[in-house]
Amino acid sequence: DIQMTQSPSSLSASVGDRVTITCQASQDISKYLNWYQQKPGKAPKLLIFDASNLETGVPSRFSGSGSGTDFTFTISSLQPEDIATYYCQQYDNLPFTFGPGTKVDVK
Amino acid sequence: EVQLVESGGGLVQPGGSLKLSCAASGFIFSGSAMHWVRQASGKGLEWVGRIRSKANNYATAYAASVKGRFTISRDDSKNTAYLQMNSLKTEDTAVYYCTRHFRGYDFWGGSDYWGQGTLVTVSS
Repeated sequence: DIQMTQSPSSLSASVGDRVTITCQASQDISKYLNWYQQKPGKAPKLLIFDASNLETGVPSRFSGSGSGTDFTFTISSLQPEDIATYYCQQYDNLPFTFGPGTKVDVK
Repeated sequence: EVQLVESGGGLVQPGGSLKLSCAASGFIFSGSAMHWVRQASGKGLEWVGRIRSKANNYATAYAASVKGRFTISRDDSKNTAYLQMNSLKTEDTAVYYCTRHFRGYDFWGGSDYWGQGTLVTVSS
């Protein structure tokens, strides 16, 4: 199985800050990576697909980049409503494994 | 509007069985692969398995942790996917989400739409 790691596991930032989360796959997954946002008590929401494509309706402050084994997710200007846990997921190989998540809160 | 509504969760004893349902609407269900994902309380997301469309012979795939105990099926006439869970263990306690394959397709992609989830508690 492909193992996904994320860092950091949690972070606290101020409104307006640039926030960056990294996700690493244990083997080459090309561009086949999603990023999801999960707010407390809610189902996850797809933000980014194919590593860098913004899902329809998602604010442009969210972005993704990378390919192969190393990926980055960025919030360009953190907003209070961005408090959530963010997960990466690879879909190159079954099983479609998730990263452990990064919890983001606002200072 | 795409909607996924899970049902069938509840309390079950270890070793017992439970069948979850996922009623879908707002897209062409028969053409879409469907996935199940679970999340234990305070923990991360775990992909459970998926079923492909009739065009791909309803092929299924499972996580190692549930293989041989869980079975995913679908009834395209009812726009419903199912997760049959047998030989349940306490570690299967989680919220179970049904998800649509990306854009309602059945090839590359993960999940786009998610249901609200249904809680399964395995306890004596």
